[in-house]
Amino acid sequence: RKEVEQDPGPFNVPEGATVAFNCTYSNSASQSFFWYRQDCRKEPKLLMSVYSSGNEDGRFTAQLNRASQYISLLIRDSKLSDSATYLCVVTFNKFYFGSGTKLNVKP
Amino acid sequence: NAGVTQTPKFQVLKTGQSMTLQCAQDMNHNSMYWYRQDPGMGLRLIYYSASEGTTDKGEVPNGYNVSRLNKREFSLRLESAAPSQTSVYFCASRTRDLAYEQYFGPGTRLTVT
Repeated sequence: RKEVEQDPGPFNVPEGATVAFNCTYSNSASQSFFWYRQDCRKEPKLLMSVYSSGNEDGRFTAQLNRASQYISLLIRDSKLSDSATYLCVVTFNKFYFGSGTKLNVKP
Repeated sequence: NAGVTQTPKFQVLKTGQSMTLQCAQDMNHNSMYWYRQDPGMGLRLIYYSASEGTTDKGEVPNGYNVSRLNKREFSLRLESAAPSQTSVYFCASRTRDLAYEQYFGPGTRLTVT
């Protein structure tokens, strides 16, 4: 079983839509959680860390559910520029990356 | 402050050739990593270095060697390249604290024919 699992998508949504991704992790003792964004043919870049109480950064909201071992990312009012692959990252002694969820925002 | 830099950006090798991928960071990070990324496979850890002078195998170390030359530099060597090593290679670094994220370099696109 993979340490971190994500739906690969693609999620195809119109501009202005709200879209949510989930990511599940296998180790209940996981320590830190992140969402990264990766544009086509570019390196992954940190989108946001995920805190136990949930956190928001503009149009992006991240949630952590330790009991069910998943984290989520909600994007409101999608923009064309949000089109990318979103990687879920979980740490337990080292970093574990999900394979990513592809988002296409269409005009 | 350049962050994490990698050279070269692109490389084409013939089967059996060797080469070294270079990585450097100027953020005074203790830990450095080498990943490969293949379509549909996500990032896979090749080797990492928790601190200067130490290196450890990751998930897919076969066919690779690494050197942590100093705190700034971490190189990845392919001794005898194979077509299966065609991939995009990313170097990353972070502070010792797992609560903080990894920073990635721009990647090296390697094709082995």
